[in-house]
Amino acid sequence: QVQLQESGPGLLKPSETLSLTCTVSGGSISNYYWSWIRQPPGKGLEWIGYIYRSGSTNYNPYLKSRVTISLDTSSNQLSLRLTSVTAADTAVYYCARSKLLFSPDNPFDIWGQGTMVTVSA
Amino acid sequence: EIVMTQSPATLSVSPGERATLSCRASQIVSDTLAWYQQKPGQAPRLLIFGASTRATGIPARFSGSGSGTEFTLTISSLQSEDSAVYYCQHYSNWPYTFGQGTKLEIK
Repeated sequence: QVQLQESGPGLLKPSETLSLTCTVSGGSISNYYWSWIRQPPGKGLEWIGYIYRSGSTNYNPYLKSRVTISLDTSSNQLSLRLTSVTAADTAVYYCARSKLLFSPDNPFDIWGQGTMVTVSA
Repeated sequence: EIVMTQSPATLSVSPGERATLSCRASQIVSDTLAWYQQKPGQAPRLLIFGASTRATGIPARFSGSGSGTEFTLTISSLQSEDSAVYYCQHYSNWPYTFGQGTKLEIK
């Protein structure tokens, strides 16, 4: 059974860089598309971007200038990097898998438990 | 970007009754529509994909319908554990977007 676990610093100061890791266990990271999704406290869900094993990525246009998603197939991990954070980036960050092999245009069938990141001076 | 609009924002229904949640897309998304259930402190859980196909392990009281731009999630015979926020999401093409959610309360 595939499981996802996010990890990373929970508190950042404005202008710092957010770096999170998602470890995939119980299955291979290859052949699927993997996304990062975030949820500000009390608000809805926002897709950040996805990555495939080939290194192919696409990002939410609103965040594209600040976001980098990378993949390490040898350690079955994906990472998120978000630069120049502000209070508006305070959220629970989730990693999630696209349901079907080889295609990004799929629902998210497996989610991590999420990790809370707070941006505050 | 495709905007997803859900209604109502909050819905209060008695146990055993039916709940009907709506989702509208600003552009045609065909049947590339998913519904998720999120309980407090938990990650979203996939309920419905392809507008009407239940995900693995989802009870039959959850059903989805619609195509194009108008979609509905119906929960028949509500149970107390169905209290949650429900989100629709299109996956027609990126950027994938979610509705703002419908909070379902069980009276």
